[in-house]
Amino acid sequence: EPEVTQTPSHQVTQMGQEVILRCVPISNHLYFYWYRQILGQKVEFLVSFYNNEISEKSEIFDDQFSVERPDGSNFTLKIRSTKLEDSAMYFCASSEQRGGDEKLFFGSGTQLSVL
Amino acid sequence: SQQGEEDPQALSIQEGENATMNCSYKTSINNLQWYRQNSGRGLVHLILIRSNEREKHSGRLRVTLDTSKKSSSLLITASRAADTASYFCATDEGQAGTALIFGKGTTLSVSS
Repeated sequence: EPEVTQTPSHQVTQMGQEVILRCVPISNHLYFYWYRQILGQKVEFLVSFYNNEISEKSEIFDDQFSVERPDGSNFTLKIRSTKLEDSAMYFCASSEQRGGDEKLFFGSGTQLSVL
Repeated sequence: SQQGEEDPQALSIQEGENATMNCSYKTSINNLQWYRQNSGRGLVHLILIRSNEREKHSGRLRVTLDTSKKSSSLLITASRAADTASYFCATDEGQAGTALIFGKGTTLSVSS
């Protein structure tokens, strides 16, 4: 079965540093998402992306965050200047149709630790 | 905004027993979905129920939806140790095609 892949599985960084989390969505999917989950807490929506632009974003997704689809297969989340509170598991997801109408396929996540 | 809220937060049962988890939400919805998350892993879609449906089955899963009470329940029958995971409901907040908003989840432990 096709799957969403995320790299790296773990990322440790110093506060203030930039990080890029990478995702390869399922090849025929058109909608892409980033979610995050702070340990033991709810899964929080960050941003959705379609047709090479952001279609929706949450209050969490402020100016320090950006997303990009640099080529036909990768989808990245960049955090420009990491803060301690950015430590979380970041999940990429994709869907063939818009997420409200169809199931999302999630990657296994990148555990980001900001020291 | 906070949408789905699962209840209970944690549930411990024996193998063979049924597990029932509830989800309440605040806004109108088009669809409600349930996902499962094994520890340290990504979420896996279990079932989708549309706002005009009242009940749906998939294997040992049974989902109900009561739009008048803005609530849903997930029933896992004849549970197995492998069902141990966190279960989340997710909704679209009534606008077709918007991102799914997840609740806090119910952590289910099934002991053999």
